[in-house]
Amino acid sequence: DAKTTQPTSMDCAEGRAANLPCNHSTISGNEYVYWYRQIHSQGPQYIIHGLKNNETNEMASLIITEDRKSSTLILPHATLRDTAVYYCIVRVYNTDKLIFGTGTRLQVFP
Amino acid sequence: GAVVSQHPSWVICKSGTSVKIECRSLDFQATTMFWYRQFPKQSLMLMATSNEGSKATYEQGVEKDKFLINHASLTLSTLTVTSAHPEDSSFYICSARGTKGVNTEAFFGQGTRLTVV
Repeated sequence: DAKTTQPTSMDCAEGRAANLPCNHSTISGNEYVYWYRQIHSQGPQYIIHGLKNNETNEMASLIITEDRKSSTLILPHATLRDTAVYYCIVRVYNTDKLIFGTGTRLQVFP
Repeated sequence: GAVVSQHPSWVICKSGTSVKIECRSLDFQATTMFWYRQFPKQSLMLMATSNEGSKATYEQGVEKDKFLINHASLTLSTLTVTSAHPEDSSFYICSARGTKGVNTEAFFGQGTRLTVV
């Protein structure tokens, strides 16, 4: 299973862009990168996923490097409600499993 | 996004009793559901994969006789913690993926906090 490495914690000022990095150097060519976040005592919330092209939706943008060994989740205008633990996950190929790592605790401050 | 509902949201039970947690996909059919456990200040740990109409597949180290999983329909999976003990106290979370395609997202329930006293 491809593992991911994320910083333990990050801070971001409200209104600024939050850029959350993730390394997945052992990712296989057909494995997708998924991002979820978990606000305290709730179930994880889906944010975005991608294979090799950059993706954007109403919540965030996902930038994947050309070699696919790393990616960055971008929250363009962080709000206090974006304070959460963000998980970068490589979905296990040919299964549906999402194996969670330790994630990045993002603190958005006023 | 799609809605996955868990019930109950929290439960307190006595040591030695069994507790059933339900996971329902409200607006889509889920051929596959997953059960996770999360201890305080830790990440989610996958316990088992549940496929509709077949036996669940358990991750290494998870006791299948203790954590009984049933996935009788495309919208309902249940996790029963049998003979619960205080060390089973945890946050249990289910997720479900729809039948649309291989690379669709999985949606998570709101979690069930189990406290065994």
